[in-house]
Amino acid sequence: AQSVDQPDAHVTLYEGASLELRCSYSYSAAPYLFWYVQYPGQSLQFLLKYITGDAVVKGTKGFEAEFRKSNSSFNLKKSPAHWSDSAKYFCALENTGYQNFYFGKGTSLTVIP
Amino acid sequence: EAAVTQSPRSKVAVTGGKVTLSCHQTNNHDYMYWYRQDTGHGLRLIHYSYVADSTEKGDIPDGYKASRPSQENFSLILELASLSQTAVYFCASSDSSQNTLYFGAGTRLSVL
Repeated sequence: AQSVDQPDAHVTLYEGASLELRCSYSYSAAPYLFWYVQYPGQSLQFLLKYITGDAVVKGTKGFEAEFRKSNSSFNLKKSPAHWSDSAKYFCALENTGYQNFYFGKGTSLTVIP
Repeated sequence: EAAVTQSPRSKVAVTGGKVTLSCHQTNNHDYMYWYRQDTGHGLRLIHYSYVADSTEKGDIPDGYKASRPSQENFSLILELASLSQTAVYFCASSDSSQNTLYFGAGTRLSVL
């Protein structure tokens, strides 16, 4: 069975620091992986995805993520962080071929100005 | 611009009552989904559909029905609403060629 784990429910850092949000997954086949962001009071927005190819993928708003097959991770990164990055971030996995998407519980990021 | 529109944006329902949440997309996408968001659980898939007049169960379908009368419209129906169904519900659509979900603004449902 597939699953997505985001071990950090909350992350707090100061503006200008580097941010890294952790995501690990369990899936028997080659994964399609995603990051979505939810700003306070808003819906979810797509940030980036990994389907195949280069392990580092770049997305919107200056974010990038690195796919590591060796430890089944897909961590989200950005440097430097800005106060406007404060939001909840969700890692997701697609059940390849079935168009089903499974989400982690999310990480709430607070960036202190 | 492509969009997913949910209605209502918020609703208060009584226990045992019937609730219908509606979703309309102009993305021309084949796939549509209903998720619920609860604190501590992230998003969980309730029902989804990949073609009109057909729906599939997701991970937590109990207590919910879905209806896809057309490509553009996808409804979630709570025949007998219960307190445990208080949550925020998101509709989404996707194009299989892009593997990307487009979400509606969400519906906040409170069952009292």
